[in-house]
Amino acid sequence: AQTVTQSQPEMSVQEAETVTLSCTYDTSESDYYLFWYKQPPSRQMILVIRQEAYKQQNATENRFSVNFQKAAKSFSLKISDSQLGDAAMYFCAYRSPNTGNQFYFGTGTSLTVIP
Amino acid sequence: KAGVTQTPRYLIKTRGQQVTLSCSPISGHRSVSWYQQTPGQGLQFLFEYFSETQRNKGNFPGRFSGRQFSNSRSEMNVSTLELGDSALYLCASSLDSGGGNSPLHFGNGTRLTVT
Repeated sequence: AQTVTQSQPEMSVQEAETVTLSCTYDTSESDYYLFWYKQPPSRQMILVIRQEAYKQQNATENRFSVNFQKAAKSFSLKISDSQLGDAAMYFCAYRSPNTGNQFYFGTGTSLTVIP
Repeated sequence: KAGVTQTPRYLIKTRGQQVTLSCSPISGHRSVSWYQQTPGQGLQFLFEYFSETQRNKGNFPGRFSGRQFSNSRSEMNVSTLELGDSALYLCASSLDSGGGNSPLHFGNGTRLTVT
């Protein structure tokens, strides 16, 4: 089974500053999909950004961008101009093209935004 | 478009009892997946249903079962409850089960407490 590792259990950032959350994964597959989800106290998991492994270009969604390093099996999330509403648990997830909707999640990073 | 709806939001049960959780996916979504979230184990995949058929199953005992109806609504059942079954159960729907970049759309979860 694929393993997803988030080595930062907690992170904090000043409002309006930039923060990077780390994620590494272990796989022998060459084609796969990576996701970042956010889980605020409301409990609902919300998609932040996704990346296809075959695409070399890093995905970007407004203030959120990724640094995808396929050879290093690294998929970090950068949040620019941090806002109070960004405070949440962030989960990195891996999806194989062969196992349908069985996502493998990391253990999460709790992000605090300091006003 | 209405999101993924899970009912009930909270449940308290006694060891040995059984419980049924319900999930209504986003309209048009045919895949429904279930995940268990605990502080110790994180997010773990339970199973996925697509067009009323179980497509994939995680590493959980047979006490955990599910089904999907013709309208794509899904139910999850846990029999002979154990204290360790206390968790947040998340349902997620997706357009397809092809292992592509279609994201999972999550509900708010059902918080199950077993006493």
